[in-house]
Amino acid sequence: AQTVTQSQPEMSVQEAETVTLSCTYDTSESDYYLFWYKQPPSRQMILVIRQEAYKQQNATENRFSVNFQKAAKSFSLKISDSQLGDAAMYFCAYRRRGSNYKLTFGKGTLLTVNP
Amino acid sequence: KAGVTQTPRYLIKTRGQQVTLSCSPISGHRSVSWYQQTPGQGLQFLFEYFSETQRNKGNFPGRFSGRQFSNSRSEMNVSTLELGDSALYLCASSLGAGQTTDTQYFGPGTRLTVL
Repeated sequence: AQTVTQSQPEMSVQEAETVTLSCTYDTSESDYYLFWYKQPPSRQMILVIRQEAYKQQNATENRFSVNFQKAAKSFSLKISDSQLGDAAMYFCAYRRRGSNYKLTFGKGTLLTVNP
Repeated sequence: KAGVTQTPRYLIKTRGQQVTLSCSPISGHRSVSWYQQTPGQGLQFLFEYFSETQRNKGNFPGRFSGRQFSNSRSEMNVSTLELGDSALYLCASSLGAGQTTDTQYFGPGTRLTVL
């Protein structure tokens, strides 16, 4: 069974600075997707960024980028120029490629942004 | 396009009762997944429906069931409610045909409280 581990229950960052959230996962599959989802206090889960395992290039979306290390099964999220609106719970998630749409989530990291 | 909608947003029930939650996916999406979110267990996959058929199922007791209608709307039912069923229930919709770029979009959730 696949597992996803987020070792940092809480993190804080100063506005305009950079923060990195960690995620490791365990799978025997070779082809899969990894995601970072954001859940603000209003509870609507929003996709931040996705990475396809067969792509060596790290995904980026504006201020958000990942460091994907397939051999180490590591998938960290870097948020640059942090903004107050980035404060939320961040979840790392895994999904097998294909028609299995089950997402396996980590326990989450609560990010606080200090003004 | 309208997002994923869930009704009701809040629900209070007593032990032993049953409850039905509804999820309307984004127009054109044929896959609906359900997740239970609790502080202790985090986000756990309940089941996924695609074209009116249950395609994947998580490790929940038979008291948890679901269905999907021809318009892709989905319902989940929990019978004989227990205190431990108190949770935020999230649904997510996607195209569902395994496309590489397919993304799961989450609804705002239904907060179920069992007294």
